[in-house]
Amino acid sequence: NAGVMQNPRHLVRRRGQEARLRCSPMKGHSHVYWYRQLPEEGLKFMVYLQKENIIDESGMPKERFSAEFPKEGPSILRIQQVVRGDSAAYFCASSTDGQGEQYFGPGTRLTVT
Amino acid sequence: QKEVEQDPGPLSVPEGAIVSLNCTYSNSAFQYFMWYRQYSRKGPELLMYTYSSGNKEDGRFTAQVDKSSKYISLFIRDSQPSDSATYLCATLLNDYKLSFGAGTTVTVRA
Repeated sequence: NAGVMQNPRHLVRRRGQEARLRCSPMKGHSHVYWYRQLPEEGLKFMVYLQKENIIDESGMPKERFSAEFPKEGPSILRIQQVVRGDSAAYFCASSTDGQGEQYFGPGTRLTVT
Repeated sequence: QKEVEQDPGPLSVPEGAIVSLNCTYSNSAFQYFMWYRQYSRKGPELLMYTYSSGNKEDGRFTAQVDKSSKYISLFIRDSQPSDSATYLCATLLNDYKLSFGAGTTVTVRA
């Protein structure tokens, strides 16, 4: 059983470009969470999604960031007009339900130049 | 104030030593506490999970929660080089929202 898959593993974008981060949850998992890890800081919750629904986006910056989890395909975290401060590791986790253990993917390391 | 505070270290110990890791938390209402292990360039994996106060042991790992002082600890006995990783404490803010400490990087020297 493959774990949580994230791609790309590394992403380099110039300031002003768009970044798209993809997450495929574990088989049988329909709940997805995105966390951001800045240097020297712990992981910070960003958003919680179920298929076709955003349940909690309280940790998402109000502008430039959006997330979706369509009926088919991976969850996408989209960052428009990236700035240097967006450089971080972005981790996706999935679970079978909203209270179960969250299994983390390997992360996408975004570098904004 | 952060929900969970953790000394980032780093911590370096010889093989076979006991590793002691600590965190403090701010809200006495927190009930669930976790320790995650994160190897370099990997995602965190759940190591230990405790509810309320007390000790929990799993092999060489012991997790402790002291609710009176809002203190959580992880002890690794007979440490091995393979234990070299970053250890993250976390608490559950609600059913699904994890709040992590900054992580302590541990190196076990052979």
